[in-house]
Amino acid sequence: EDKVVQSPLSLVVHEGDTVTLNCSYEVTNFRSLLWYKQEKKAPTFLFMLTSSGIEKKSGRLSSILDKKELFSILNITATQTGDSAVYLCAVEGAQKLVFGQGTRLTINP
Amino acid sequence: NAGVTQTPKFQVLKTGQSMTLQCAQDMNHEYMSWYRQDPGMGLRLIHYSVGAGITDQGEVPNGYNVSRSTTEDFPLRLLSAAPSQTSVYFCATRNYYYEQYFGPGTRLTVT
Repeated sequence: EDKVVQSPLSLVVHEGDTVTLNCSYEVTNFRSLLWYKQEKKAPTFLFMLTSSGIEKKSGRLSSILDKKELFSILNITATQTGDSAVYLCAVEGAQKLVFGQGTRLTINP
Repeated sequence: NAGVTQTPKFQVLKTGQSMTLQCAQDMNHEYMSWYRQDPGMGLRLIHYSVGAGITDQGEVPNGYNVSRSTTEDFPLRLLSAAPSQTSVYFCATRNYYYEQYFGPGTRLTVT
């Protein structure tokens, strides 16, 4: 059975800290891994990763995929209160997107 | 360009009632899907479609029907609503590059 596991499930840090969110997966016919940010509405797309070792970067956010060890990390540097959200990891395989439970990130001022 | 639209935004049903959640997209994406999101469980795939006339079951299909007669529309039908179907429902499309786009969601409560 396809499975995506995120850790930690919840994280509280202070503004300015750096955080690392983890996503491990077991999915047949892997095609891609995607990261989303979800505030009080629909998830919004952050990154899509298909190749190992190639870092994707957007401002203070970056992500990398390890297809040998079957995991990805999402880094956020110099966190701001606007980064508070649930971060979802999803893996595409065999026409289906399987989501992890999400990591609820809270940034305190 | 509206992207992915869903109606209604909120709905309250009594147990045993049926209803259809509407999803429409104007991006000409072949792939569309429905998810439900429950607290602590992430998003779970209900049904998906790879093109007009083609649908398939996801992880949690029981109690739901779908059809895809056009590229633009992918309605989700609840046949006989149950309290266990209380959830937030998201419709999504996917482009050629496997990037998914979500609708705003429908919050459904079944009493």
